Amino acid sequence: EVNVVESGGDLVQPGGSLRLSCAASGFTFSSYAMTWVRQAPGKGLEWVSTISGTGGSTYYGDSVKGRFTISRDNSKNTVFLQMSSLRADDTALYYCAKGVRVVVSATQDYWGQGTLVTVSS
Amino acid sequence: SSELTQDPALSVALGQTVKITCRGDTLRSHFASWYQLKPGQAPLLVIYGKNNRPSGIPDRFSGSSSGDTASLTITGAQAEDDADYYCNSRDTSGNHLVFGGGTKLTVL
Repeated sequence: EVNVVESGGDLVQPGGSLRLSCAASGFTFSSYAMTWVRQAPGKGLEWVSTISGTGGSTYYGDSVKGRFTISRDNSKNTVFLQMSSLRADDTALYYCAKGVRVVVSATQDYWGQGTLVTVSS
Repeated sequence: SSELTQDPALSVALGQTVKITCRGDTLRSHFASWYQLKPGQAPLLVIYGKNNRPSGIPDRFSGSSSGDTASLTITGAQAEDDADYYCNSRDTSGNHLVFGGGTKLTVL
């Protein structure tokens, strides 16, 4: 059974940093790209970042590029999202999702329940 | 353009058919995937590729595409289909993803 579980969400002050983790199980982790997607309160889904299965390729949405860094540890079946210079508009529920191939794909077939990041003073 | 446009809200009578559309230039080159989102639950993939349903998704869900528009059709809507639906695709660069604004579907 495939499982994806996010953690690390918290209340953080503007300008602060936070690292999210996503632990996956039930599949050959290194064979699939992983993606972070967020949903701000009352808003729609927004793509944040994707990392290839090998970790050699990373991609970012315009709103987070230069502030967020995605990485993965294939020995621990975990993907990370390091967030810095956080702003109020980064407040959202952050989902981690599994892709369907080793490189970027629009299709995410398994999602976690999300972890809440709140940026506020 | 790498934007995907969806109708904000639709309603359908129980047992009737509804089509949810997603429009964007990138759909001329890339297939859309469709996700169902209910409060407090993880997003659920319902349709991907040309017209593929993941295991466990009822066959009342189907997908189609023509030109710059992708569609998700629910034939014989059930009460449990009351949810938000999002399309997504790869953008015109191919390496970034883009989501539609979502459609809130109400089953009457």
